[in-house]
Amino acid sequence: DTGVSQDPRHKITKRGQNVTFRCDPISEHNRLYWYRQTLGQGPEFLTYFQNEAQLEKSRLLSDRFSAERPKGSFSTLEIQRTEQGDSAMYLCASSLTETDNEQFFGPGTRLTVL
Amino acid sequence: DQQVKQNSPSLSVQEGRISILNCDYTNSMFDYFLWYKKYPAEGPTFLISISSIKDKNEDGRFTVFLNKSAKHLSLHIVPSQPGDSAVYFCAAIPYNNNDMRFGAGTRLTVKP
Repeated sequence: DTGVSQDPRHKITKRGQNVTFRCDPISEHNRLYWYRQTLGQGPEFLTYFQNEAQLEKSRLLSDRFSAERPKGSFSTLEIQRTEQGDSAMYLCASSLTETDNEQFFGPGTRLTVL
Repeated sequence: DQQVKQNSPSLSVQEGRISILNCDYTNSMFDYFLWYKKYPAEGPTFLISISSIKDKNEDGRFTVFLNKSAKHLSLHIVPSQPGDSAVYFCAAIPYNNNDMRFGAGTRLTVKP
């Protein structure tokens, strides 16, 4: 399967714990995006990378959220000191170039904060 | 700020008939529009898109119409098939960045 993969698919954690999610984009794609989706809503853009450079992070929900893409391949999204309101589906997407508006999404990581 | 709105949370049509899903937007800076389809336990899948320089784009059974003056777009599926049953998201990208905004989605059910 050469699509976008995300790990884990499900994560249950207690409030206050830190969590980290991983996304592996389609191999030749140099753009990688993170979204959050809550129940009954569409995906909400969080941040994106062009290769290893994080080009937009102003829409990260708070300073508890951070993302990295150290080698321009896989990316991680970390949430520190999780809160119950962080419970959501976290989606990763990738696209081929800066001129390609079509993004390919992974299956998402569902986070439940107890 | 809900810049992309899908006012119908659900739609039910009979197999073989036309499905029309609607989407409205408020931001004049959007210049590219997309429709994504989402099945349960999967991520959204790209379906069809349209640039603001066009008013129609067709791909097989799927056609997207854009009315810029009304800030409205619609997705037509003809003929509808039971396998089209999914949640459909409208999305828009402004010309000056990659901040894609999604609507809340419309759940389409196509009955055999």
